[in-house]
Amino acid sequence: GEDVEQSLFLSVREGDSSVINCTYTDSSSTYLYWYKQEPGAGLQLLTYIFSNMDMKQDQRLTVLLNKKDKHLSLRIADTQTGDSAIYFCAAGKRGGYNKLIFGAGTRLAVHP
Amino acid sequence: ETGVTQTPRHLVMGMTNKKSLKCEQHLGHNAMYWYKQSAKKPLELMFVYSLEERVENNSVPSRFSPECPNSSHLFLHLHTLQPEDSALYLCASSRQLQGGSYNEQFFGPGTRLTVL
Repeated sequence: GEDVEQSLFLSVREGDSSVINCTYTDSSSTYLYWYKQEPGAGLQLLTYIFSNMDMKQDQRLTVLLNKKDKHLSLRIADTQTGDSAIYFCAAGKRGGYNKLIFGAGTRLAVHP
Repeated sequence: ETGVTQTPRHLVMGMTNKKSLKCEQHLGHNAMYWYKQSAKKPLELMFVYSLEERVENNSVPSRFSPECPNSSHLFLHLHTLQPEDSALYLCASSRQLQGGSYNEQFFGPGTRLTVL
C-alpha cells in the first residue's frame, strides 16, 4: 500500500542547516508537503512541491524532490530554536478532496 | 491559525461515557477530515466528508461515529471507548476541486483525549 517514511529524530546546533529526509512509495503522488507541528498544536503547512518540480525555495526553506527515487527533503537554513518541532512529510494526489498519506514525523531538536 | 477550531481542547472520559468532539471551519471549505494521532502511530486518517457526504471510512471501530450536518461543522461522537483510544484527534478541512488544482488541508489544534 501507500507509505511515507521519515527518520524519527534530528538534532542540530543553532545556526547550522537542518536536512529532513522522506521517502514515499506512491509514484502517482502529485503533491508533496511538509507540515510542522509545535507542542500542543495542530499541523501547520510549511511548504509543498508539485511533482513536476525538483526544487522549491521559500526564504530559509528549500525542498528537493527526486521523483525517480521518490525521495523528498526539507532543508532549513540557519536553524533557530523556534524551529524545534515535529516535521511531517505527506504525499497527496491532484483533484477532488485531498487525501494525504503522512510519514511518522521527524522530531527536530535545536541546541545552542 | 483560527480558520479551523476544535472543542474541547482536552477531554477525559471513562469507558462508559458518551461524548462528542466538535470541529468548525471558517474558511469556506467543503471537505472535512478526522485524524487520530498517537505516540505509537503516525497520523491516521479516520473519516473524510466531501460535500457533506462521507467518502472515506478507514476501518474505524463503530465506537467512533462521525457526523457532518453542514460543510462548516464536523462532529465525532464517542461511546464505550477503550484506553487505547487515548490520542490527539485532529480535524482538517480543504476545498474540493475539479482537475489538478492544489488544495491544501488546514488543521485545527486538536482535542487531547484521555480514556480512563
